[in-house]
Amino acid sequence: AQKVTQAQTEISVVEKEDVTLDCVYETRDTTYYLFWYKQPPSGELVFLIRRNSFDEQNEISGRYSWNFQESTSSFNFTITASQVVDSAVYFCALGGGLDDKIIFGKGTRLHILP
Amino acid sequence: GAGVSQSPRYKVTKRGQDVALRCDPISGHVSLYWYRQALGQGPEFLTYFNYEAQQDKSGLPNDRFSAERPEGSISTLTIQRTEQRDSAMYRCASSQTVQGYANTGELFFGEGSRLTVL
Repeated sequence: AQKVTQAQTEISVVEKEDVTLDCVYETRDTTYYLFWYKQPPSGELVFLIRRNSFDEQNEISGRYSWNFQESTSSFNFTITASQVVDSAVYFCALGGGLDDKIIFGKGTRLHILP
Repeated sequence: GAGVSQSPRYKVTKRGQDVALRCDPISGHVSLYWYRQALGQGPEFLTYFNYEAQQDKSGLPNDRFSAERPEGSISTLTIQRTEQRDSAMYRCASSQTVQGYANTGELFFGEGSRLTVL
């Protein structure tokens, strides 16, 4: 069965610091997709990034970057030069493969302190 | 529409009543998902559709829960004989891609329907 684990329940950092959110996943499939979503205090769920298991490059998008390590089944997400507006709950998600459905981790609550 | 629309936004009902939650996905989006999110938790998968076909309903908690998407657009999640433990935020999401082994696209979520069962 597929599973997503976000071991960090809550993180606090001071503004402008870099912060990395951890995600570990379990799947039997060789082709799958990984996502990060953001849920700000207003409650909506916002898509941030998507990565295929067969992509070889880790990427950067603005202040966001992610590190996919298939050997350790990890898909970590980094915010560079954090801002107060980054304060939110961040969810890692796994989809594709034989099960098709997209499942979410329990989330990491990130506090950016001014 | 411009985004995923869910109604009602808030529903308060008495235990034992049936409720129907509606989701209108982004125009042209072929996949539609239902999730339930309890306070402080991540979204919990309930079911999903590709077009009008219900592909997976393994997350529906029991047979009081059902979902349909008869014309491949609007979907309804129905909870019969509601219980207090059904109280949660119910979220709908849609994707422009057909979900499956070869491609799983990102989800666009609605604002949710908050259900309170008294």
